[in-house]
Amino acid sequence: AIRITQSPSSLSASAGDRITITCRASQDVSTYLAWYHQKPGKAPKLLIYGASSLQSEVPARFSGTGSGTDFTLTITRLQPDDFATYYCQQYYTFPWTFGQGTKVESK
Amino acid sequence: EVQLLESGGEVVQPGGSLRLSCSASGFSLSGYAMSWVRQAPGKGLEWVSSIAGRGGNINYADSVNGRFIISRDNSNNMLYLQMNSLRVEDAAVYYCARVEWLFLGWGALEIWGAGTVVTVS
Repeated sequence: AIRITQSPSSLSASAGDRITITCRASQDVSTYLAWYHQKPGKAPKLLIYGASSLQSEVPARFSGTGSGTDFTLTITRLQPDDFATYYCQQYYTFPWTFGQGTKVESK
Repeated sequence: EVQLLESGGEVVQPGGSLRLSCSASGFSLSGYAMSWVRQAPGKGLEWVSSIAGRGGNINYADSVNGRFIISRDNSNNMLYLQMNSLRVEDAAVYYCARVEWLFLGWGALEIWGAGTVVTVS
């Protein structure tokens, strides 16, 4: 199975900050990489698909880059609603695998 | 409005069986592949199983292969997960999710239900 290493596991930030989360796949997944965020007690929500395509109605402050094995999610001008846990996921091949998550907390 | 609603989660003893259901509304299930993803208490997301739109292509995580069966009833817009030989480690919130349509291959998990809780104890 493809291993996804996500970092950092947690970070503290303030509203208005720019943050970056990275995922590294143990083998090439092309651009079959998605980003989700999840708030406590809620279902995950798709933010980015195809490594860099913004899901409908997701604010433009979210962006994704990368291909192959290295990927980045960037949030510019962090908003209060963005404090959540973020996951990346590869869907290049089965079994689909997720990163372990990054918890973004308010500083 | 596009919606997914899971049901069927409950408390079950180890070794027992359970069938989860996922009702789709606002779209035709037959046009989409579907998946189940679970999340154990305090843990991350774990993909469980996926099924193609017509049901012919099915995949399972190694952790559930041979014990869980995914199926669908497109005529009633329903997705199912039959869970047998349940283990303590199967306890989790189970989400059904719609797979983004791609001309070739499988897409991201674009729509999620609210989840249903399975407790094995």
